[in-house]
Amino acid sequence: GEDVEQSLFLSVREGDSSVINCTYTDSSSTYLYWYKQEPGAGLQLLTYIFSNMDMKQDQRLTVLLNKKDKHLSLRIADTQTGDSAIYFCAESRREYGNKLVFGAGTILRVKS
Amino acid sequence: ETGVTQSPTHLIKTRGQQVTLRCSSQSGHNTVSWYQQALGQGPQFIFQYYREEENGRGNFPPRFSGLQFPNYSSELNVNALELDDSALYLCASSSHASGSNEQFFGPGTRLTVL
Repeated sequence: GEDVEQSLFLSVREGDSSVINCTYTDSSSTYLYWYKQEPGAGLQLLTYIFSNMDMKQDQRLTVLLNKKDKHLSLRIADTQTGDSAIYFCAESRREYGNKLVFGAGTILRVKS
Repeated sequence: ETGVTQSPTHLIKTRGQQVTLRCSSQSGHNTVSWYQQALGQGPQFIFQYYREEENGRGNFPPRFSGLQFPNYSSELNVNALELDDSALYLCASSSHASGSNEQFFGPGTRLTVL
């Protein structure tokens, strides 16, 4: 199948770490991405990881990739109220013109 | 450097009508992809344009069509609108030469079909 799966909802307290998980299906995907969408807005590219990497860190964001299990996670350190949004993982498929295949999104709610 | 822009921001149409949505790609990008995002779902790939030609298409009927212009901007046309076409339409630009295929999204056009 084509499904990229994510948990639907995550609630954390301000200052805690958030971990958003994703499983993907295409083992030939070369890049995997995390996007953030705030209400009524488009998608903001947060970070991406190449499939031959296990981990990528970018300031408060850490991406972990387990290629064997096709599992991707995004850790946000010191989560702030401004991090409240929907987070999408996506994989890049070379067929059909490098299309991105997205999960349904994880709603992150940060409580102050 | 200007980002991806889309117009209009909102649009209301009735069933059977036709609509044209527009997208200007980010400076330096030559590839435009269109996605449909229904409420509560992730974006679904419609098609991609590169060098003014369709470079890949998702599972959408032929009444969804597009164009790309020499300045890399793009249009999405939808004929014979149906109620299920109500969604946020997102345009993303990228560089064909970029191995990482980073796609940068515009703010979207919210289409409501009554």
